[in-house]
Amino acid sequence: EPEVTQTPSHQVTQMGQEVILRCVPISNHLYFYWYRQILGQKVEFLVSFYNNEISEKSEIFDDQFSVERPDGSNFTLKIRSTKLEDSAMYFCASRDRVGLEKLFFGSGTQLSVL
Amino acid sequence: SQQGEEDPQALSIQEGENATMNCSYKTSINNLQWYRQNSGRGLVHLILIRSNEREKHSGRLRVTLDTSKKSSSLLITASRAADTASYFCAHYSGAGSYQLTFGKGTKLSVIP
Repeated sequence: EPEVTQTPSHQVTQMGQEVILRCVPISNHLYFYWYRQILGQKVEFLVSFYNNEISEKSEIFDDQFSVERPDGSNFTLKIRSTKLEDSAMYFCASRDRVGLEKLFFGSGTQLSVL
Repeated sequence: SQQGEEDPQALSIQEGENATMNCSYKTSINNLQWYRQNSGRGLVHLILIRSNEREKHSGRLRVTLDTSKKSSSLLITASRAADTASYFCAHYSGAGSYQLTFGKGTKLSVIP
C-alpha cells in the first residue's frame, strides 16, 4: 500500500537554527498537510496546501514557518529560527480527492530544540 | 473553542472485553473520522462515517453518529492487546475548510 514518507525520523537542533522537515506524499494525492503533536497533547493542524499554494493555516503557523513543494514530489516544512516550544512530533499527511475524505499520515519527525 | 472532545481520556480493559470511546463536536460536519495512533507513531485512519449515516461497521469496529447530539462513539469488540493505542476522532472544521481537526484522544490499554 502506498504511504507517506517523512525524513528524518529524528532531528535535534539548537534554538535559533533553521530546520527543514521533508515529506514525500502519496504520488496521486492533491492535498498536503502538516500537523504537530507536542508530547502528551492533541494533534494540532498547522497548514494545508493545494494547487501549489497554502489553502489554510492555523495561528501556530506564523512567519517562522513556511512550506514548499519544490519538485512535484517532495513537500517540506521549514522553521526559520527554532524556539524551544517548537519541540514536537511533526506529521505530514496527504489526501487524494476533492471531497473531504481521510488523510494518510507519515510516521512523523521528532524535532527536539535544545 | 475546543472541538472533537473524546471521553474517557484513558480506558483500561481486559483482553476480550469491549471498549467504547465517545466523541463530541461543536460544528456541523460532512463526516466524522476515527484514527488510531500507536505510541510515538503516525495516525492511521480507521473508519469514516458520513453525516447521513447513523452506524457503520468495519471488522471489530462499530461507529455510531448522532448529529442531533453532535456526538459519535467508537466500539471495539473482543479487544486484543494489540488494540492498545490512542484513538482520536476528527472532522473537517466547517464550510470550505480543508482543516481536519482532532480531539484530545482516548488512550486505550488492553491488558492481556
